Amino acid sequence: SQKIEQNSEALNIQEGKTATLTCNYTNYSPAYLQWYRQDPGRGPVFLLLIRENEKEKRKERLKVTFDTTLKQSLFHITASQPADSATYLCALYSGGYQKVTFGTGTKLQVIP
Amino acid sequence: GAVVSQHPSRVICKSGTSVKIECRSLDFQATTMFWYRQFPKQSLMLMATSNEGSKATYEQGVEKDKFLINHASLTLSTLTVTSAHPEDSSFYICSARSPTSGGAGGTDTQYFGPGTRLTVL
Repeated sequence: SQKIEQNSEALNIQEGKTATLTCNYTNYSPAYLQWYRQDPGRGPVFLLLIRENEKEKRKERLKVTFDTTLKQSLFHITASQPADSATYLCALYSGGYQKVTFGTGTKLQVIP
Repeated sequence: GAVVSQHPSRVICKSGTSVKIECRSLDFQATTMFWYRQFPKQSLMLMATSNEGSKATYEQGVEKDKFLINHASLTLSTLTVTSAHPEDSSFYICSARSPTSGGAGGTDTQYFGPGTRLTVL
C-alpha cells in the first residue's frame, strides 16, 4: 500500500542551527512533491514545490531535495529561528491518482 | 496572492443540527476546491473534490448524504454537515487549486483556508 512517512517525533533544535526534516514514501511515483507549514489551529501554508526531474530547490532559508531513487525528500531550514517552530507537512502528487496526499507532519521546535 | 478564506472559523452546535462552512478564493478563480478533515495530531484526510458546476467527488468512506458540497461559483464552495454528531467534531479545511504555474505539465499547488473548528455537543 502507499505510504508517506515523516518523523512523528518532534524535532528540537537550537536557534541558528539547520533543521532537516525527512519525508519518505513507498509505492508512489510522484510527479512532484510539496512542503507545507502548519501552525496550531490553522490551515497549511504552501512553502515549496519540487518536481520529479529536479534534485534541489531553494527559497530564502529553505532548501528541498528530492531523490526519486531513495524515495525521499529532505527539507532544510538554515539559520533557524523560533518563529520557524511549526509542523511541516510533505505532500505528494501522483498523476495516476490525480490528487495530493499528505504525510502526518513533523513538529519542529526551535529553542532560543 | 492566492488567498483562501473560510467562514466560520469556529462553530459549536448541538447534536442533530446542520452546519454550513463556506470556502472562498479571494483573488483567483478556482475551478476545483478540496475539503479535508484533520483530527488532532493526524494528517489532513481528503474528504471530497469539488468542481465548479458539477457534483463533488467523494473519497471512499465519506458519506455524501451527510457531507453536502456545493460549488456554485468559481470562488465559493460550501460544505454542509447534516445531522451532526459528536464524532463529526473535527477541524475542517478547504483548499483551492490555483491556476497552473510554470512549466509544461503544470502543477497542483493548493492554497488552504484557515480552517473551521467544529464542535458538536
